[in-house]
Amino acid sequence: DTAVSQTPKYLVTQMGNDKSIKCEQNLGHDTMYWYKQDSKKFLKIMFSYNNKELIINETVPNRFSPKSPDKAHLNLHINSLELGDSAVYFCASSQGSGGPRKNIQYFGAGTRLSVL
Amino acid sequence: SQQGEEDPQALSIQEGENATMNCSYKTSINNLQWYRQNSGRGLVHLILIRSNEREKHSGRLRVTLDTSKKSSSLLITASRAADTASYFCATSQGDKLIFGTGTRLQVFP
Repeated sequence: DTAVSQTPKYLVTQMGNDKSIKCEQNLGHDTMYWYKQDSKKFLKIMFSYNNKELIINETVPNRFSPKSPDKAHLNLHINSLELGDSAVYFCASSQGSGGPRKNIQYFGAGTRLSVL
Repeated sequence: SQQGEEDPQALSIQEGENATMNCSYKTSINNLQWYRQNSGRGLVHLILIRSNEREKHSGRLRVTLDTSKKSSSLLITASRAADTASYFCATSQGDKLIFGTGTRLQVFP
């Protein structure tokens, strides 16, 4: 079973559209994350939730809205997509508590978003 | 600005050779991690070294940490073609990880 799964794997859409990416983890972790990886492979944190509560909200346009219905799921909704949103988006999870291993993150396979 | 800078950006070696990647960071840390990313895949955790540790081994991986120089290195011994991937260091800042720029390793058979 995949530990952190995100769907879809590929997403091709037109500028101005609204799209969602879903993420689920079956590791029993308390904390989940969304990252954006650009074409230069630079990986940047966008959001983090701990037990459904937002704990990290980096400087991200408010067109991006995370939603966590329960601690096993963290979805990312993007409104009014722009060309610059094209990137690979990764979901990750971690224990969130209990020693240094709490920071070890488990990543999904990524969603490659192409905005045309 | 990002926490970790990695060096070299790209590295090409033959199978059997050793590969060394370096990471420098800017602020005090509790621990440092290394991750691998295969092409088209997510990151996979390799090893974590605590700030009070100087060296750690895991199989063919050896990680060193020098907190006085704010740097770490990852050594992969006896490399294999399957080691071809990007390697990232990451440091913890509170609840978040700050990733380095990554080293792209190519191992030729």
